[in-house]
Amino acid sequence: QQPVQSPQAVILREGEDAVINCSSSKALYSVHWYRQKHGEAPVFLMILLKGGEQKGHEKISASFNEKKQQSSLYLTASQLSYSGTYFCGTEMMTGSARQLTFGSGTQLTVLP
Amino acid sequence: KAGVTQTPRYLIKTRGQQVTLSCSPISGHRSVSWYQQTPGQGLQFLFEYFSETQRNKGNFPGRFSGRQFSNSRSEMNVSTLELGDSALYLCASSLFRPSSAGANVLTFGAGSRLTVL
Repeated sequence: QQPVQSPQAVILREGEDAVINCSSSKALYSVHWYRQKHGEAPVFLMILLKGGEQKGHEKISASFNEKKQQSSLYLTASQLSYSGTYFCGTEMMTGSARQLTFGSGTQLTVLP
Repeated sequence: KAGVTQTPRYLIKTRGQQVTLSCSPISGHRSVSWYQQTPGQGLQFLFEYFSETQRNKGNFPGRFSGRQFSNSRSEMNVSTLELGDSALYLCASSLFRPSSAGANVLTFGAGSRLTVL
């Protein structure tokens, strides 16, 4: 089942902060975050395994609330290079294997 | 180290035709997943292969099929193309064993953009 991302789109000025949310109705093994710039392939940002840990990547960090099956991506002091579409991927057991399912994406635009 | 290579990058087909897309994973990666990307729909999971076996399949009609070869290269096939099949098809590879612990980090190829007329 596809995770739900919000907001669908956000426009920021350089230096502003943003939060992108991702929620699932299923028990999750992990949550992934990827960023896709226009015309390019999605690129891995970070993974959060169940346990509620928080990860960071430069000024981008994320948290995973295992109890609520929710994850949030925090972009601090946005830079122009942060523009792109952010996808959360939720990983869960399907039969004997794990499957990664992506949300519909959040389009982030950072303006100068 | 070469990345994930997908061919062809662009192709145009007409309704009713079939198409085969190819994916060469990163050397050493044995897991290959396929996704369909359309505007507003995000990345829709098609299927995943590991060691020539399909481990998972998404909610797509039987017209969509795939396979993986012994060298981990993968192909996907779409038969009897429909207008709605127009999309970017992304392949991703991973070191990961689908049924074991550890991080399943995907490396995506640039995609094959299919246009159905």
